[in-house]
Amino acid sequence: DQQVKQNSPSLSVQEGRISILNCDYTNSMFDYFLWYKKYPAEGPTFLISISSIKDKNEDGRFTVFLNKSAKHLSLHIVPSQPGDSAVYFCAARYSGTYKYIFGTGTRLKVLA
Amino acid sequence: GAVVSQHPSWVICKSGTSVKIECRSLDFQATTMFWYRQFPKQSLMLMATSNEGSKATYEQGVEKDKFLINHASLTLSTLTVTSAHPEDSSFYICSAKGEGVSPYEQYFGPGTRLTVT
Repeated sequence: DQQVKQNSPSLSVQEGRISILNCDYTNSMFDYFLWYKKYPAEGPTFLISISSIKDKNEDGRFTVFLNKSAKHLSLHIVPSQPGDSAVYFCAARYSGTYKYIFGTGTRLKVLA
Repeated sequence: GAVVSQHPSWVICKSGTSVKIECRSLDFQATTMFWYRQFPKQSLMLMATSNEGSKATYEQGVEKDKFLINHASLTLSTLTVTSAHPEDSSFYICSAKGEGVSPYEQYFGPGTRLTVT
């Protein structure tokens, strides 16, 4: 039972354009969401987060949108750069805990 | 800040032997550490949560006698895969959270690639 889903295993975007990565979740008990970026053979690095009481959080080129009614969040990267090429995981936290459930990841390739 | 290291970065062992993986928080005290495993093209799966000085809490389906976790200090947790078998081959990643770092974030180590032959 996959509670956090990233339905697109891969995405290719031209440099300078917008990258949109999507994530859907099923559990209403999630209260915090994060995006992590992961390079091969490395651990994930934190990118950006959003609390369930907000619908948008922005940090430089990265913006995360949360639609609670649809149980959907998305990560926008604009403009996309070749260095953004990596696997992106979304993660959701169970309310009141530090337990995170990760999605399966989306491999982003930014083409120069 | 908030650096987490893992050792070794990769290890090959023979079936039936045990392997120990270390996870260290280098610049903060990790009150809680987490161990994940990741199979190719799959998600990070939480195996267990450990708090310093207490027994680890294992996720459903994770054999606690096979994956021994020790969190003896605020900067070190170890995962020992006992009597390893080829199906234990995976990428093991630890993460840590603690005082002085964001309460929402976990800081991940670089991972350990285990191959059991």
